Amino acid sequence: DSGVTQTPKHLITATGQRVTLRCSPRSGDLSVYWYQQSLDQGLQFLIQYYNGEERAKGNILERFSAQQFPDLHSELNLSSLELGDSALYFCASSPPSRGRGGELFFGEGSRLTVL
Amino acid sequence: AQSVAQPEDQVNVAEGNPLTVKCTYSVSGNPYLFWYVQYPNRGLQFLLKYITGDNLVKGSYGFEAEFNKSQTSFHLKKPSALVSDSALYFCAVRDGYSSASKIIFGSGTRLSIRP
Repeated sequence: DSGVTQTPKHLITATGQRVTLRCSPRSGDLSVYWYQQSLDQGLQFLIQYYNGEERAKGNILERFSAQQFPDLHSELNLSSLELGDSALYFCASSPPSRGRGGELFFGEGSRLTVL
Repeated sequence: AQSVAQPEDQVNVAEGNPLTVKCTYSVSGNPYLFWYVQYPNRGLQFLLKYITGDNLVKGSYGFEAEFNKSQTSFHLKKPSALVSDSALYFCAVRDGYSSASKIIFGSGTRLSIRP
């Protein structure tokens, strides 16, 4: 158990709909990262937050948005869903750097299926 | 911008034989390199990292990786493969230590260990 919690684990929805994925980082971790993993694909970096502020952006579509709340949990909002958005969405957290390694701790993922 | 390449989609090894999973990287500045493993329907698990120091780093489950600055490589190795090592392996590079540093993953290499 990494200590990172993602909900829901599975989600099935229709094209055009909107969903929200939630992530609770490990206790004490300030950074939250979101990644998308399509079928048999690598991980595409979407966005990163640190202590409530957006710090880095990757290949995130305009239909997607995210935020990190004061209690450090994060939500990834996916709207106007398309078939191609079907994927595993991972959240990961990382402790404050300061020479401590910088590795990520991943949640189990939210599997989104768009029909 | 940093990048990481895993040139092999799949590596097949007989149990008991040594294994190598290849990774090359590109980053401005000092590289922070990581290996992760993903089992089916699970999140990624951290295996090992190179931040500084010895070029040979040891990690979980008997894995080690060799950092080669001149060849910009960070290959994952294990002296004697186990069937249970069969999984998807990802190399990752971090472009610094700040709270805004991105962590970019390779496309993954599927390791298959035959009995």
